[in-house]
Amino acid sequence: KNEVEQSPQNLTAQEGEFITINCSYSVGISALHWLQQHPGGGIVSLFMLSSGKKKHGRLIATINIQEKHSSLHITASHPRDSAVYICAPYNNNDMRFGAGTRLTVKP
Amino acid sequence: ETGVTQSPTHLIKTRGQQVTLRCSSQSGHNTVSWYQQALGQGPQFIFQYYREEENGRGNFPPRFSGLQFPNYSSELNVNALELDDSALYLCASRDRRNTEAFFGQGTRLTVV
Repeated sequence: KNEVEQSPQNLTAQEGEFITINCSYSVGISALHWLQQHPGGGIVSLFMLSSGKKKHGRLIATINIQEKHSSLHITASHPRDSAVYICAPYNNNDMRFGAGTRLTVKP
Repeated sequence: ETGVTQSPTHLIKTRGQQVTLRCSSQSGHNTVSWYQQALGQGPQFIFQYYREEENGRGNFPPRFSGLQFPNYSSELNVNALELDDSALYLCASRDRRNTEAFFGQGTRLTVV
């Protein structure tokens, strides 16, 4: 069993839809990153959170440390949100990565 | 833009050769981590350096080695390249007191 499981693996949505990506992990963590990776490879950190909820624009991330689960939500999705979203739980020395969720938002 | 730069952006090497990839960290960040991302997969942790010392390593053989310099820039060296080493190599820097990591754009290595 992988240490980090993301679902779904692939997601296609129509512009304007509400998106949820889920992440479950089995390792102990000090924080969790949600990352966005566009074609070409560059990774951008969207959120780092260790408890509760964070919001940035149309993006919302939540984490439940006891249940070892985190979710990334995108409200009013737009084609420019199309990317791979990666959950990365983190402890002091290294970051573990989910396989990513490939999101395609169609106009 | 994150302030983390990697060079080169693309590289083609022949099996058996050696390669050096470089990463300049975000200013003030004393910790750098390197990751390998094969096509269609999530990144895998290679190792981490803190103040010029390796202080964490993933499941990679010794032919993957690194260096961190006093200015906190770093190198990833891979000897005896194999075809399976073809991947995107990412570095990420952070201030150890704050776990938020900033990633470079990556170096895409192709071994032929």
